Amino acid sequence: EVQLLESGGGLVQPGGSLRLSCAASGFTFSSTAMTWVRQAPGKGLECVATVSGGSSFTFHADSVKGRFTISRDNSRNMLYLQMNNLRGEDTAIYYCAKDFRIAAGIYSPDFWGQGILVTVPS
Amino acid sequence: QTVVTQEPSFSVSPGGTVTLTCGLSSGSVSTSYYPTWYQQTPGQAPRTLIYTTNTRSSGVPDRFSGSILGNKAALTITGAQADDESDYYCVLYMGSGNWVFGGGTKLTVL
Repeated sequence: EVQLLESGGGLVQPGGSLRLSCAASGFTFSSTAMTWVRQAPGKGLECVATVSGGSSFTFHADSVKGRFTISRDNSRNMLYLQMNNLRGEDTAIYYCAKDFRIAAGIYSPDFWGQGILVTVPS
Repeated sequence: QTVVTQEPSFSVSPGGTVTLTCGLSSGSVSTSYYPTWYQQTPGQAPRTLIYTTNTRSSGVPDRFSGSILGNKAALTITGAQADDESDYYCVLYMGSGNWVFGGGTKLTVL
C-alpha cells in the first residue's frame, strides 16, 4: 500500500524558513518522480516543485524559484521541501505526491499524501 | 502567462450527465497537454480520475470519462451520484516539468 506522510509544517513568521518532509513507502521510491503541490485556504492547486527519481531533474514554479528547494534522500525514502524567505502568500496546505510516468520524460502527480499546513501571517 | 480555465461551478441532477471543461486563456487544448483530472472532496487530498486525456486511473468507475471537445479538454460524468459532489480540477502540461492547474469546478448534485 502506497503511503505518503508529510511533516514539518506549522506557523512561521514572514522571512522565516521551514523544511517539509515526506516519508514514502509502498513503492520503489528511488525510481519515482515526486512533486510538492500546494493549496491556499479555499483556493485551487498549484504545482510547487518536482524532482526526478535520481534527482537529475528538478522543476520549481516561478512563484517559489530562488526561495524553495526540492530534494530527496533515496536511502531513507524521504522527500523534502526547503522553504526560505517565506511570505504570506505561501500559506497553504502542502501535499507530497507520487508521480506517474505518462510519457517519455513526463510525470504527473498521481497519489497524494494528506497534506500539511504551513501558515505565514501576512 | 497562460491561464487554465474551468467553470467555477456546475450542478447536475442525480442520475444525470454533466460535462466539465478545461480550456486555455489563449489557444486550444490538445492531447499534447496531457489533460489530467482530479476529484477533491472537502478536507481530503485530491484523487486522480483521468490522465492523458481519457485514461481512467485505477479504481475509477467507468461513468467518468475524459475527452477533447472542440478546443477544450472535458470530463463527463454519466449517471451522477450524490457522492460525486466534489471539486474537480484539471491540469495541463506546459513543458519542462511545468503543470498548470485550472481554478477548479465545484460540482453540486441536487
